[in-house]
Amino acid sequence: AQKVTQAQTEISVVEKEDVTLDCVYETRDTTYYLFWYKQPPSGELVFLIRRNSFDEQNEISGRYSWNFQKSTSSFNFTITASQVVDSAVYFCALSEAGNTGKLIFGQGTTLQVKP
Amino acid sequence: EAGVAQSPRYKIIEKRQSVAFWCNPISGHATLYWYQQILGQGPKLLIQFQNNGVVDDSQLPKDRFSAERLKGVDSTLKIQPAKLEDSAVYLCASSLGDYSFTDTQYFGPGTRLTVL
Repeated sequence: AQKVTQAQTEISVVEKEDVTLDCVYETRDTTYYLFWYKQPPSGELVFLIRRNSFDEQNEISGRYSWNFQKSTSSFNFTITASQVVDSAVYFCALSEAGNTGKLIFGQGTTLQVKP
Repeated sequence: EAGVAQSPRYKIIEKRQSVAFWCNPISGHATLYWYQQILGQGPKLLIQFQNNGVVDDSQLPKDRFSAERLKGVDSTLKIQPAKLEDSAVYLCASSLGDYSFTDTQYFGPGTRLTVL
């Protein structure tokens, strides 16, 4: 069965520290997409990145970077030089080719960045 | 481009009452999703529409929940009668294509429901 696990429930760091959010997934499909969303206190889920199962290249966007490793079924998210505005709940999600497009979400990781 | 709109943002009701939520997706998006997010958990799909047809409602508690998407645009989600365990945030999302697993879903701000 498909599943997404975010083992870190809460992480607290001091501003300017680097932080990595872990995501491990399970799927029987060979074709799938992985996503990261940010949910600030306002509640809206903000799309961050989409990665397909055939593209294992790491991605960097400003202070954000993502490491996708099929061998370990992981899709980890790193924030470099964290800022207070990064404080939010972050969700990893899976979409499978054999499905209708619905997203399977992890439980989320709450990141608190202290000044 | 306007994002996904939802209303109301907050709703407090007594158990056994009825409640309805409204969603207006991004213009031109064919697929619309309703997710339920219980506190401390990730969102879970309730129902998925492509245009005005239902694609997936396998997780919708049909004895109390109903949803419709008239004319393939706006959608309403109704709960009747509400139970305490329905307290959650109800998120609406839309995507451009025809229920493709490759599409990015864009979410609205959600409706926070509290059932007393």
